[in-house]
Amino acid sequence: EPEVTQTPSHQVTQMGQEVILRCVPISNHLYFYWYRQILGQKVEFLVSFYNNEISEKSEIFDDQFSVERPDGSNFTLKIRSTKLEDSAMYFCASSEKGGRYEKLFFGSGTQLSVL
Amino acid sequence: DQQVKQNSPSLSVQEGRISILNCDYTNSMFDYFLWYKKYPAEGPTFLISISSIKDKNEDGRFTVFLNKSAKHLSLHIVPSQPGDSAVYFCAASAQGTGNQFYFGTGTSLTVIP
Repeated sequence: EPEVTQTPSHQVTQMGQEVILRCVPISNHLYFYWYRQILGQKVEFLVSFYNNEISEKSEIFDDQFSVERPDGSNFTLKIRSTKLEDSAMYFCASSEKGGRYEKLFFGSGTQLSVL
Repeated sequence: DQQVKQNSPSLSVQEGRISILNCDYTNSMFDYFLWYKKYPAEGPTFLISISSIKDKNEDGRFTVFLNKSAKHLSLHIVPSQPGDSAVYFCAASAQGTGNQFYFGTGTSLTVIP
């Protein structure tokens, strides 16, 4: 069964460093998302992306964050200057179509630890 | 700003019995609700959904009940199986908010053989 893959599974970085989290969505999916979960807290929406543009973003997704689809398969989340509070599990997701009735398919996540 | 709340962080149930996972929400604009299941080291996977025009949706052993007046939904698993042991997330969305889903903190279900 097709799946969303994320790399790396764990990322440790120093505060202030840039990190890039990578995702390969399901191949025929057109809509891409990033969510995150800080330990013990709720899963939070960060951003949705379609047709090489951000469709929606939350308040969390400030200027330190950016997303890109650099080629036909990868979808990346960049954090320019990481902060301690960016430590979280970051989930990439994709869906075949847009709209909130579409199922999201999630990757297994990247655990980001900012020291 | 916890618009979707799962007040029970964990639940243990004997195999074969019913598991009931609860979720409360505060935003009256929410009209579509989902449950996701998450195993360790895996991403959440869609389990079942319900629209606010219904008060019940069933899929095999899984049934979701929606009580709009109480702003409450519950997921019933019957009979529970050890393979159901996972973290269950409740999520909600409102018309006009696109694909933005609001998740709860999750309930960890353990089904004891």
